[in-house]
Amino acid sequence: GIQVEQSPPDLILQEGANSTLRCNFSDSVNNLQWFHQNPWGQLINLFYIPSGTKQNGRLSATTVATERYSLLYISSSQTTDSGVYFCAGRAQGGSEKLVFGKGTKLTVNP
Amino acid sequence: EAQVTQNPRYLITVTGKKLTVTCSQNMNHEYMSWYRQDPGLGLRQIYYSMNVEVTDKGDVPEGYKVSRKEKRNFPLILESPSPNQTSLYFCASSFSRGETQYFGPGTRLLVL
Repeated sequence: GIQVEQSPPDLILQEGANSTLRCNFSDSVNNLQWFHQNPWGQLINLFYIPSGTKQNGRLSATTVATERYSLLYISSSQTTDSGVYFCAGRAQGGSEKLVFGKGTKLTVNP
Repeated sequence: EAQVTQNPRYLITVTGKKLTVTCSQNMNHEYMSWYRQDPGLGLRQIYYSMNVEVTDKGDVPEGYKVSRKEKRNFPLILESPSPNQTSLYFCASSFSRGETQYFGPGTRLLVL
């Protein structure tokens, strides 16, 4: 099956800083998504981004499917951005399984 | 409000005592799935369902059962729980398998 690698595994920022999180796939994927798990455990879908670029407020994401990676940008970070960010995708070829990376733990300090 | 609900949210039980974690969604989604989340292992899919009466195994199905008798409900059944099933469980749903997944609030299970 496909492998999903996220980097960095941990990231500590001061409020107001910008950051880039990366997700690499070992093979071509479909249905790439980014999620945020807040400190209370809730998983929220941030982006459904199989290709191209999307923006939602201070967050944006870019997927380059041909090179098997995706980036999540967080600008002007806030303490409420803290938590774990996951990317996930399905292997091309009709796989039903959504495979998750192990996540990037982000801590934003005031 | 569009949502995925799970019950119970927290559960402490003993080895071998059958339990069911319910999952319900009100978005008319066809695709539903169960995940478990463990430290260092991330999120792993247990079972998924493409539609009513259509279910299949994910990556870690051993020790679990599911059923999909109605479109909105997808219960997870542990017939004989063991301590290695202590975990945080999430139910998720989407319009189809390729669409945005919406997660429930999670169920923390401790098996003694």
